[in-house]
Amino acid sequence: DAEITQSPRHKITETGRQVTLACHQTWNHNNMFWYRQDLGHGLRLIHYSYGVQDTNKGEVSDGYSVSRSNTEDLPLTLESAASSQTSVYFCASSESYGGYEQYFGPGTRLTVT
Amino acid sequence: GQQVMQIPQYQHVQEGEDFTTYCNSSTTLSNIQWYKQRPGGHPVFLIQLVKSGEVKKQKRLTFQFGEAKKNSSLHITATQTTDVGTYFCCLGSTLGRLYFGRGTQLTVWP
Repeated sequence: DAEITQSPRHKITETGRQVTLACHQTWNHNNMFWYRQDLGHGLRLIHYSYGVQDTNKGEVSDGYSVSRSNTEDLPLTLESAASSQTSVYFCASSESYGGYEQYFGPGTRLTVT
Repeated sequence: GQQVMQIPQYQHVQEGEDFTTYCNSSTTLSNIQWYKQRPGGHPVFLIQLVKSGEVKKQKRLTFQFGEAKKNSSLHITATQTTDVGTYFCCLGSTLGRLYFGRGTQLTVWP
């Protein structure tokens, strides 16, 4: 069965370190998205991609970067982790046509100390 | 940018009571989607509404899209403990980006 996976599921890192969160989907979806979820803020879009070599900034992109070298993966990099980036991160994917319903990964809980 | 307001933010009900969450926008929406997130889980797609005045049902859940396509609602009849979670509405763009409301967190007391 097709799926979307994230790794690691839990990560503790120190302020200033570079961190990369992995997202892999086997749906063959062109669209992929990264969100962060914090209490009181719902889901906020960080970056998204509509296909290979395409990346776009979302509403909270500062301090984050993504690259899309193939259809299956959209890794999210925190250039220099800050305590304000402690959050739960969700990756999602969707078709590039039709209803665009998004399929979410299980999430990564990141703690920056 | 696109904004969708969702109310209430929290709702506590006794099992068996009904529950409704509302989604409002100042602009006309092309479509609206609803997602459910169980505690500790990830958002899961429930439904998409596209047509003005559309009403769709999934067992005890009823979804409505307003006539002016500026609001939507999710109504749960006779809530059960399995309904616990956060319900998000979101509007979709033409290319697939979604704009999420802040969600309504539902607690059901047995």
